[in-house]
Amino acid sequence: SQQGEEDPQALSIQEGENATMNCSYKTSINNLQWYRQNSGRGLVHLILIRSNEREKHSGRLRVTLDTSKKSSSLLITASRAADTASYFCATTGTYKYIFGTGTRLKVLA
Amino acid sequence: GAVVSQHPSRVICKSGTSVKIECRSLDFQATTMFWYRQFPKQSLMLMATSNEGSKATYEQGVEKDKFLINHASLTLSTLTVTSAHPEDSSFYICSAGRLAEETQYFGPGTRLLVL
Repeated sequence: SQQGEEDPQALSIQEGENATMNCSYKTSINNLQWYRQNSGRGLVHLILIRSNEREKHSGRLRVTLDTSKKSSSLLITASRAADTASYFCATTGTYKYIFGTGTRLKVLA
Repeated sequence: GAVVSQHPSRVICKSGTSVKIECRSLDFQATTMFWYRQFPKQSLMLMATSNEGSKATYEQGVEKDKFLINHASLTLSTLTVTSAHPEDSSFYICSAGRLAEETQYFGPGTRLLVL
């Protein structure tokens, strides 16, 4: 399977703490994107990082990309209860997306 | 902008019937749409790529006669699950991309339950 892997599979933290989740992939990529999914809902795009970029910020989100290790990380700072969701990375090589296995984040109030 | 809708949001059907799911790009044209399937607490698996005006491209292991895809216009793609069985019960999500953009926009998903 070409599917990427994310770890941890599940993460439970207290409100205000930072949450870090990692994504590893197998093939060459053009870019890597992170998505968020609330339970039973569609996906919301969070951030895109291109293969020639190493780090990107958007609000409380920080994404890093290490193409030599074929890995990326998503950091959510000062987490809130509303951040509770599943987070997926998706890589694009040609035209289609390959999703990672996802991290289920639970932020406790 | 870049809103994708799906209809219905959830459907329950009897085994052996066919179910059609619509995916619409509301404020942009999409020459390509994608259909995914997601099992509970699992990731999204690409089923097929829907191309406007031509046949869909199916991923390995996906039965094209079972999952019929039609992309009749630049804003509408449909997925028909034919002769549905309980194992077809799943969450189906579509996505579409705007020309020259790298990001795909996802629909809210359709939950299918086959009894």
